Amino acid sequence: NAGVTQTPKFRILKIGQSMTLQCTQDMNHNYMYWYRQDPGMGLKLIYYSVGAGITDKGEVPNGYNVSRSTTEDFPLRLELAAPSQTSVYFCASSYSTAGNTIYFGEGSWLTVV
Amino acid sequence: EDKVVQSPLSLVVHEGDTVTLNCSYEVTNFRSLLWYKQEKKAPTFLFMLTSSGIEKKSGRLSSILDKKELFSILNITATQTGDSAVYLCAVNNNDMRFGAGTRLTVKP
Repeated sequence: NAGVTQTPKFRILKIGQSMTLQCTQDMNHNYMYWYRQDPGMGLKLIYYSVGAGITDKGEVPNGYNVSRSTTEDFPLRLELAAPSQTSVYFCASSYSTAGNTIYFGEGSWLTVV
Repeated sequence: EDKVVQSPLSLVVHEGDTVTLNCSYEVTNFRSLLWYKQEKKAPTFLFMLTSSGIEKKSGRLSSILDKKELFSILNITATQTGDSAVYLCAVNNNDMRFGAGTRLTVKP
């Protein structure tokens, strides 16, 4: 089972460049999430989605955009990369019912120089 | 504002010790509380708690939730070096809020 798949696993960006982190899940989950995790820190929610066509901001949305055109895909876009966006990014998904378990992708290591 | 607070932030013990990790929360529309273990990559799931007072157990790990006092604890007995990791607590409401984690180091 593929679960949650993120690409790329590693990327180096120059300041001001743009890129998209891809995330897809094959579990037919309604809920999808993007987190960032800075070194030695906990996970912080960037954006989340409760279903296709619906997205909402999390704790740290500035500098990012998302879309959810299908149930499976939830890409995260960085428009003008800044050094503060150097982090590990995790995509995750879960069922929409109460008491659900969240499933994580393996992470995308992004460095902005 | 919703928040999830874990304590301690870091902990160093020796093999065989018992540890208790704490997670307190203030969120609206509480659905469940989850514990994860994170070593080098993505967090791996440990427990999900939805009801107060019912202990979840898996080997040397156990966890319990108190919905009145708004906290959960994660216990690890007879710790081993392989237990060294960051333990994350997350609360499921309308989204998922994570605590900062507790970094546990188990020395031989």
